[in-house]
Amino acid sequence: GNSVTQMEGPVTLSEEAFLTINCTYTATGYPSLFWYVQYPGEGLQLLLKATKADDKGSNKGFEATYRKETTSFHLEKGSVQVSDSAVYFCALSEVNFGNEKLTFGTGTRLTIIP
Amino acid sequence: KAGVTQTPRYLIKTRGQQVTLSCSPISGHRSVSWYQQTPGQGLQFLFEYFSETQRNKGNFPGRFSGRQFSNSRSEMNVSTLELGDSALYLCASSEDIYGYTFGSGTRLTVV
Repeated sequence: GNSVTQMEGPVTLSEEAFLTINCTYTATGYPSLFWYVQYPGEGLQLLLKATKADDKGSNKGFEATYRKETTSFHLEKGSVQVSDSAVYFCALSEVNFGNEKLTFGTGTRLTIIP
Repeated sequence: KAGVTQTPRYLIKTRGQQVTLSCSPISGHRSVSWYQQTPGQGLQFLFEYFSETQRNKGNFPGRFSGRQFSNSRSEMNVSTLELGDSALYLCASSEDIYGYTFGSGTRLTVV
């Protein structure tokens, strides 16, 4: 079955540091890939997505590139801010005879200190 | 467009009771999915409805059920509540596999 493995947390960085959160996946076909962010007490917000190999998703300074050869979708940001503190989830979805659903990684808690 | 609305936001129930949670998707979205989030198990897929039909189901016991109405609003029901059912229940609506929009969730506490 499909699975997503992402970097264990928690991750603590200083403001303006470079961020990478690793994500790799296993899928039988050609999934779409997502990063979601969850702030305390809230639901999930879509951060960015990529629907095919070599696509780059980007939003709010975050980027991730769909790498089919390495089955990866690592999240990066050049200069993090305190407001980026949240839990980040990597996820995939794949059409499989009407079996559409999101498969999530375990989440990575990110804390940015001023 | 209004977002995905889940009600209630918080719920406290006693073991053995049943509970019904509601989700109103984004207008025009016909697919509604439900997920359970717990610290131990993370985000787990419960089921998905499309045009009033359950299209997909996760590995949860039969105590967990759902339905979707003709206006795409969905409800999920948990009967005979157990302490382990305490979780954040998230609903997501979508037009296709490329975009799922989540609600703020219903936090259920079973005591």
